Amino acid sequence: GENVEQHPSTLSVQEGDSAVIKCTYSDSASNYFPWYKQELGKRPQLIIDIRSNVGEKKDQRIAVTLNKTAKHFSLHITETQPEDSAVYFCAASMKQAGTALIFGKGTTLSVSS
Amino acid sequence: DSGVTQTPKHLITATGQRVTLRCSPRSGDLSVYWYQQSLDQGLQFLIQYYNGEERAKGNILERFSAQQFPDLHSELNLSSLELGDSALYFCASSVEGMGLSGNTIYFGEGSWLTVV
Repeated sequence: GENVEQHPSTLSVQEGDSAVIKCTYSDSASNYFPWYKQELGKRPQLIIDIRSNVGEKKDQRIAVTLNKTAKHFSLHITETQPEDSAVYFCAASMKQAGTALIFGKGTTLSVSS
Repeated sequence: DSGVTQTPKHLITATGQRVTLRCSPRSGDLSVYWYQQSLDQGLQFLIQYYNGEERAKGNILERFSAQQFPDLHSELNLSSLELGDSALYFCASSVEGMGLSGNTIYFGEGSWLTVV
C-alpha cells in the first residue's frame, strides 16, 4: 500500500550543529507534507508544513524542502539546541486515506550540549 | 492545548475485555481521525470520520470500530483486547474532510491503554 519512509531512525548531534531528516513517499497524488514534533509522552505537534506547489519553506531555524519529481522531502534544523531533542515525524496526504495523514516511523533526535 | 479532548487519559484493562475511548474535536472541525502509537512504532492511521460518516479506513482491526455522533464527538471501541493492543491512541481533528486538499491535523493528548 501507500506509505512514507523516513530516515534516519535515530540522529545524534552536538548543540549548534545542523540536523537533516529525509522522507520519501509513494503516492504521486500526495500534495501536503507536514512535519510533527513529539516530546516524550506528549501529543505530536505540527512544526512546519509544505504543499506541493512550493519547493521550500523556512521558519526561523527550521526549513523543509520538497522534490515532487523524486517524491522526497526533508526537514532541516539549523543551530540545534537541547530543546530540539524529540521524535520527529514526517507525513504525507494519501489519496486512499481520505484526508488523513500517513506518517513515517519517526526520527529520534538527540542534541547534546 | 490543541482543542482536541480525549478521555480517559489512562486505562488499564484485562485481556478479552472491551473499552471505549472518547474524543471531542476542535470547535468547528468536522473530521475526526484515530491513530494508534505502539512502542517503537510510528503513528498508525486507523480510521477517519467526516461529519458523521466514515471517510477512510487504515490499518484498523476487525475487533475495533468507531463512530462519530451528530455533535461530532467520536468514540473508538476496542473489543476482545489482546496484550498487543496496549498503545497510545490518539484522536485528531481537522476542518476539512473531503478531497485531497491538504489538511492540518491537530492531535489530542491521547489515551494510554494498557492491557494486562
